[in-house]
Amino acid sequence: SAVISQKPSRDICQRGTSLTIQCQVDSQVTMMFWYRQQPGQSLTLIATANQGSEATYESGFVIDKFPISRPNLTFSTLTVSNMSPEDSSIYLCSVFSGNGYTFGSGTRLTVV
Amino acid sequence: AQSVTQPDIHITVSEGASLELRCNYSYGATPYLFWYVQSPGQGLQLLLKYFSGDTLVQGIKGFEAEFKRSQSSFNLRKPSVHWSDAAEYFCAVGYYGGSQGNLIFGKGTKLSVKP
Repeated sequence: SAVISQKPSRDICQRGTSLTIQCQVDSQVTMMFWYRQQPGQSLTLIATANQGSEATYESGFVIDKFPISRPNLTFSTLTVSNMSPEDSSIYLCSVFSGNGYTFGSGTRLTVV
Repeated sequence: AQSVTQPDIHITVSEGASLELRCNYSYGATPYLFWYVQSPGQGLQLLLKYFSGDTLVQGIKGFEAEFKRSQSSFNLRKPSVHWSDAAEYFCAVGYYGGSQGNLIFGKGTKLSVKP
C-alpha cells in the first residue's frame, strides 16, 4: 500500500489567514482525495484532485475557499483560505493504491 | 444516491463481551466495503476490507465482518472486546469501476468499554 506523508500535523491559525496542507505519496497515483472531519463528525469529501486538471469539488465546497494543487502524481496541497473558527477540523488526504485506500495522518486545524 | 448508515451512534460493552457494530449501505453497484477505527487524537486505521470472494472477512485486532448482499449490510464483530478497543468506528463504501472513486463514510459509532 502507498504511504502518505501529510504536514503539518496540527496548527493554530488566526482567523482571516490561510493554511496550506501538503500530502506526499511514495508512489504515483491517479487520484488524491481531500476530506474534512469536523469535531465529533465523520469524514466528508471536499474534492478529488487529478494531476493536470482542475480538482472536482463536492457540493458545499468551493475552489476559492479550498484551492487545491496537484502538480504531479505524487503530491498535492489543499489550502484553507480566509479561515474562520468554523474551519476548525481535521483535514485528511487519501489515495487509492490498488489494495485499498490509504490516509494521511491528518492535519488538526484550530482557528482562533 | 450512495449512502452508508451506522444506526448506533454510541455503544457501551463490558470488557470481554462480544461486539457487533452495524453498517448498512445503499449502492447501485457491487460495493467495496471497509471498516476503519479512529482512536482519540489519532488517524484512521483500516481494520478490514471486502472486495469480493468470501463474504466473511478477517481483519486486524481480532475483528471480522460479514458482507450480506441480501441485507445490504457489512456488520463488524469481535468475540471479546478489550479496553483498548474503545474508539470511533467508521464503515465506508467505495466503488472503483476503473475510476478509483472516493469513499463514502458512515457517521461512525463510538465504542466505550466498561471494565
